[in-house]
Amino acid sequence: SQTIHQWPATLVQPVGSPLSLECTVEGTSNPNLYWYRQAAGRGLQLLFYSVGIGQISSEVPQNLSASRPQDRQFILSSKKLLLSDSGFYLCAWSEGSRNTGELFFGEGSRLTVL
Amino acid sequence: GQNIDQPTEMTATEGAIVQINCTYQTSGFNGLFWYQQHAGEAPTFLSYNVLDGLEEKGRFSSFLSRSKGYSYLLLKELQMKDSASYLCAAMDSNYQLIWGAGTKLIIKP
Repeated sequence: SQTIHQWPATLVQPVGSPLSLECTVEGTSNPNLYWYRQAAGRGLQLLFYSVGIGQISSEVPQNLSASRPQDRQFILSSKKLLLSDSGFYLCAWSEGSRNTGELFFGEGSRLTVL
Repeated sequence: GQNIDQPTEMTATEGAIVQINCTYQTSGFNGLFWYQQHAGEAPTFLSYNVLDGLEEKGRFSSFLSRSKGYSYLLLKELQMKDSASYLCAAMDSNYQLIWGAGTKLIIKP
């Protein structure tokens, strides 16, 4: 069966510090991978998605970046965090071969920037 | 522009029925999704509608009217564990999901 894990689950970072959130998927090949951010009272905001290794599409210009060094690994990074980067970050995957749209989410990472 | 509207919050009584509405406007349409999200947790898939009509899955049912750009999620025999946020999302012509802000459902005994 397929599983998805992301870490860390929670982190508190000072403004200007770097960020690295990691996500891995097991049990499937060539998945579509996504990073979302969820702010309180707002819908899920798609940050990045990837359809293959090294292929990253950015939906929202910001100080975040994403990388996909391996087929089932997706990393969200920042060189210098802003207060506005606080939120709940969710990694997700979907079947790469079918556009069913069903997403499978990781556990989420709650980031607080102080 | 693309937009999803759903109520911010609803309250219902344990054992009752509740209907959560969602209207959408998207560039093209490839289906409507409902997800459940408990506080502090990740969303989990509930239903997918791409054709008009009602899809029933146990206590939960989802309805779609493409001509009206409208969907609803119907929850029957409400249980306390149904207290959660319910997210509506429509898939556009590029197969990207457009998400609503979610409806927080509060179940009272």
